[in-house]
Amino acid sequence: GAVVSQHPSWVICKSGTSVKIECRSLDFQATTMFWYRQFPKQSLMLMATSNEGSKATYEQGVEKDKFLINHASLTLSTLTVTSAHPEDSSFYICSAPDRGGGYGYTFGSGTRLTVV
Amino acid sequence: AQSVTQLGSHVSVSEGALVLLRCNYSSSVPPYLFWYVQYPNQGLQLLLKYTSAATLVKGINGFEAEFKKSETSFHLTKPSAHMSDAAEYFCAVSAGNRDDKIIFGKGTRLHILP
Repeated sequence: GAVVSQHPSWVICKSGTSVKIECRSLDFQATTMFWYRQFPKQSLMLMATSNEGSKATYEQGVEKDKFLINHASLTLSTLTVTSAHPEDSSFYICSAPDRGGGYGYTFGSGTRLTVV
Repeated sequence: AQSVTQLGSHVSVSEGALVLLRCNYSSSVPPYLFWYVQYPNQGLQLLLKYTSAATLVKGINGFEAEFKKSETSFHLTKPSAHMSDAAEYFCAVSAGNRDDKIIFGKGTRLHILP
């Protein structure tokens, strides 16, 4: 089936630095990628939707200058958390619509970001 | 716009007992509905999905869910709980277009009592 590979699985960074998270579709072309954030013991909140070759669409309340999304190819979408602060510590997950036989979504395995 | 409401942030059942996790949806268009399971520090695993075909949907690990339009519900059930079922469960909805975003409920933590 369709696989989205997400890296890194965890990262620790210092306040003020930037962190890049990558999501690659391994055996299909992901024209759309959804980025979610999940705080401990909470649900997944949609941050933004990226589309290959165009600007991402951000959900209300999400700072587009802080969470930079790039979807430069049909198999790679990246999320860069710029000038990270401790409150950005969270679990970030990407998801792409499954282009296989059934309708669904394929999720990456998630990235645990800890900002110290 | 679409949304889902999961009733009960925590549900406890005894091993071998019936599992019932409740989900109600709101959608301005015919919805597609999903149940996902998440184990600690892991991604999401699809249990089952409703995409306007049969209203009773069977998924993996013995789970099933029934779409009831009159009740705007999509409750998840399993006849006999196993210890390995202890996890976080999320109900989710999308508008049904292939590239439409999927919106999650707040989740229900399922506890299995020995």
